[in-house]
Amino acid sequence: DAGITQSPRYKITETGRQVTLMCHQTWSHSYMFWYRQDLGHGLRLIYYSAAADITDKGEVPDGYVVSRSKTENFPLTLESATRSQTSVYFCASSTAYEQYFGPGTRLTVT
Amino acid sequence: GESVGLHLPTLSVQEGDNSIINCAYSNSASDYFIWYKQESGKGPQFIIDIRSNMDKRQGQRVTVLLNKTVKHLSLQIAATQPGDSAVYFCAEKDQGAQKLVFGQGTRLTINP
Repeated sequence: DAGITQSPRYKITETGRQVTLMCHQTWSHSYMFWYRQDLGHGLRLIYYSAAADITDKGEVPDGYVVSRSKTENFPLTLESATRSQTSVYFCASSTAYEQYFGPGTRLTVT
Repeated sequence: GESVGLHLPTLSVQEGDNSIINCAYSNSASDYFIWYKQESGKGPQFIIDIRSNMDKRQGQRVTVLLNKTVKHLSLQIAATQPGDSAVYFCAEKDQGAQKLVFGQGTRLTINP
């Protein structure tokens, strides 16, 4: 029972490159979320999805794109990475209330 | 706007003592609150939750108290152990919404 997984766990990329972070959950939860975590800002919501093909912006969506063609997958794409997007990214899936988090992806943009 | 915050960014306690981590929230429409524990290098892990129709809920060594009058939430950890060292986040959910709003986090350090 893998639960929720993220890949890669670590990524270094250059400014301007496109990078995609993957998230996969095995629970068939309807809701999925992407957060970024930076020192001094806690967890900030980037995008979330209520179901396949339904996505919505969170608090900090600029520079990110999401898609959800299948319930179990929710990839996050940085179309043109910037240094300010260096962060730890967490994916989560949700029952009606509680959110379950993945292990995170540490992204460094040089 | 809505915010969930913590009174103290760090808390240091002696092993075996009880720990109390506080959280203030501002959205009176929030109907659900969660405490998460985040260990270094890991994702947040659910500890305990409470709905707005309750004022206290107990788990194993943890208790959450909710005071809606002053919009205050606290997490009490009994007989703190070295494994309790982590950052603790409170989060709130608005009635009818699915999004959680997280506080900044409190780092709990256990002294031997």
